[in-house]
Amino acid sequence: QSVLTQPPSVSGAPGQRVTISCTGSSSNIGAGYDVHWYQQLPGTAPKLLISGSSNRPSGVPDRFSGSKSGTSASLAITGLQAEDEADYYCQSYDSSLSGYVVFGGGTKLTVL
Amino acid sequence: EVQLVQSGAEVKKPGESLRISCKGSGYIFTTYWIGWVRQMPGKGLEWMGIIYPGDSDTRYSPSFQGQVTISADKSISTAYLQWSSLRASDTAMYYCARNSIQGGDDYYYGMDVWGQGTTVTVSS
Repeated sequence: QSVLTQPPSVSGAPGQRVTISCTGSSSNIGAGYDVHWYQQLPGTAPKLLISGSSNRPSGVPDRFSGSKSGTSASLAITGLQAEDEADYYCQSYDSSLSGYVVFGGGTKLTVL
Repeated sequence: EVQLVQSGAEVKKPGESLRISCKGSGYIFTTYWIGWVRQMPGKGLEWMGIIYPGDSDTRYSPSFQGQVTISADKSISTAYLQWSSLRASDTAMYYCARNSIQGGDDYYYGMDVWGQGTTVTVSS
């Protein structure tokens, strides 16, 4: 069971907007630690999509955006495209025990 | 070009030892944390641990502490992930990845450069 909770799957039609949630607790997101998002296409390594909760690395389309509030974070994808079909993961830091990086369980995005 | 190149796929028997590698190039290897991430077949990403090659400061996830050893040889810009006695449950894809922020103070930033992954299969 992951420290960060994501819905197992989401779906949307081309052109639509979808959001993926990432729910944590007071020892990670709620403690103020940033959330980062990754996209993993089938058979490839993950790619950093959003860093520092809302910053897009160079080359990432502005259709992707991130936000954070309280103990949760969200990834929004607008203008959904077929190529967005992938697994998405959130990542943060948990200060419990000696402190360590944690991933969400991942969300499979299906473009209908 | 900044890149991390991992060693090739491995097939091992239970109880055997293994070390896989991750060679960095195109940047100052000693100034970015390098982490290791496990992905079991059909499953999600799991953070295993991280090393700062500049001074070999190493941190582990509680789930992997004592199960693996992370090290680095800064003279050849290479990080390693090592097992002393493999189990079938270690069968997975293993990725190395670089922290996106330069410096050794904190390691909880996003990871901006990833290796291609190393498949480890443990089977009798």
